[in-house]
Amino acid sequence: ILNVEQSPQSLHVQEGDSTNFTCSFPSSNFYALHWYRWETAKSPEALFVMTLNGDEKKKGRISATLNTKEGYSYLYIKGSQPEDSATYLCAFGNSGNTPLVFGKGTRLSVIA
Amino acid sequence: DSGVTQTPKHLITATGQRVTLRCSPRSGDLSVYWYQQSLDQGLQFLIHYYNGEERAKGNILERFSAQQFPDLHSELNLSSLELGDSALYFCASSVAGANVLTFGAGSRLTVL
Repeated sequence: ILNVEQSPQSLHVQEGDSTNFTCSFPSSNFYALHWYRWETAKSPEALFVMTLNGDEKKKGRISATLNTKEGYSYLYIKGSQPEDSATYLCAFGNSGNTPLVFGKGTRLSVIA
Repeated sequence: DSGVTQTPKHLITATGQRVTLRCSPRSGDLSVYWYQQSLDQGLQFLIHYYNGEERAKGNILERFSAQQFPDLHSELNLSSLELGDSALYFCASSVAGANVLTFGAGSRLTVL
């Protein structure tokens, strides 16, 4: 059974703070690592898909890095805003034919 | 609107009953995935269909079944419902396996 761990489980930051959280996944048989953002009362939306060791992706104030050799990815948010409040999910894929395995997510609350 | 349509949005039923959840994937997507989100659990993969064929099964109970029809919409049937089946059921679609998932809004099932 594949295990995808996310930490911390929840996080409260002040508006303007920068923050980061971690996704750990099996370091063998890596195919892809996805990050999704899930706002309350909405459905998860894809942020990034990373496939290569050392990948760095950026979308506005949000960026992610990937280390497939050691099995982790970091998601960074620079200058957090209240609208960044959401649960951030990572999902691991070990092949192109198997379903993604999701972590339990990190719930971020940004306090104005 | 993500392009993935799930109905119903909310459903309240009694133990022992049977319900059907429906999902229409985004136009052009051949893969449909069903996930279950219970309290304090991550997104648990249930089943994956690709172009009408079952491709993978996850932690899907024997009381649950699914199918994908020729028009690519999918139905998840939940029978002999128990209190523990209360959850948010997500459908997601992708062009093929392990690509970016587009989620529907979810169907929230409450079993009383």
